[in-house]
Amino acid sequence: QSVLTQPPSASGTPGQRVTISCSGSSSNIGSNTVNWYQHLPGTAPKLLIYSNNQRPSGVPDRFSGSKSGTSASLAIRGLQSVDEADYYCATWDDSLNVPVFGGGTKLNVL
Amino acid sequence: EVQLVESGGGLVKPGRSLRLSCAASGFIFADYAMHWVREAPGKGLEWVSGLSWNGGTIGYADSVKGRFTISRDNAKNSLSLQLYSLRAEDTAFYYCVKGSDSSVHDAFDMWGQGTMVTVSS
Repeated sequence: QSVLTQPPSASGTPGQRVTISCSGSSSNIGSNTVNWYQHLPGTAPKLLIYSNNQRPSGVPDRFSGSKSGTSASLAIRGLQSVDEADYYCATWDDSLNVPVFGGGTKLNVL
Repeated sequence: EVQLVESGGGLVKPGRSLRLSCAASGFIFADYAMHWVREAPGKGLEWVSGLSWNGGTIGYADSVKGRFTISRDNAKNSLSLQLYSLRAEDTAFYYCVKGSDSSVHDAFDMWGQGTMVTVSS
């Protein structure tokens, strides 16, 4: 049981826009910034979004993040087959005093 | 180019010990927090342990507290994780991860390729 709640799966067709949600509480998302990671099969996970909505150098602007209250979301517009991966949200939890991950969302591009 | 290369994984019997190492290059190792994150087969990412740039702040997941020990050698640009009293549920890919800043609170901005630990009799 993860501290942060994500839907186990999401899907879309090429060109579509999809969003992945991440729900937490006042001790984690409610009081800290959220980061998103992309994990493609057979590769190392990659930082996709940091500080709620910032993209590291090299991440396409098709990816965007937002946060409101105790929830966050990742949006991908212009979906491509290469986006098929597992996506994880993460943040710091002030009560547990550790970083916490969501359970991950498997994105299928149909 | 930032590189994180893990080593030390393998097959080990329950109750035994193992030491994972991570060789870092391409950045000023001493300036950044470092972490270990694992992914068990069929499961998601789980933060295992992390320490600040100088080792002054160290944290462990409850699932490994008292059994795992993290350490770093800034002179050798290396990170280690000593695993004791291993259990079947510790079976996972272990990733060496660089923090985006000196504090353990920050994002994980670079990941190694991982090393597999299998705990089985």
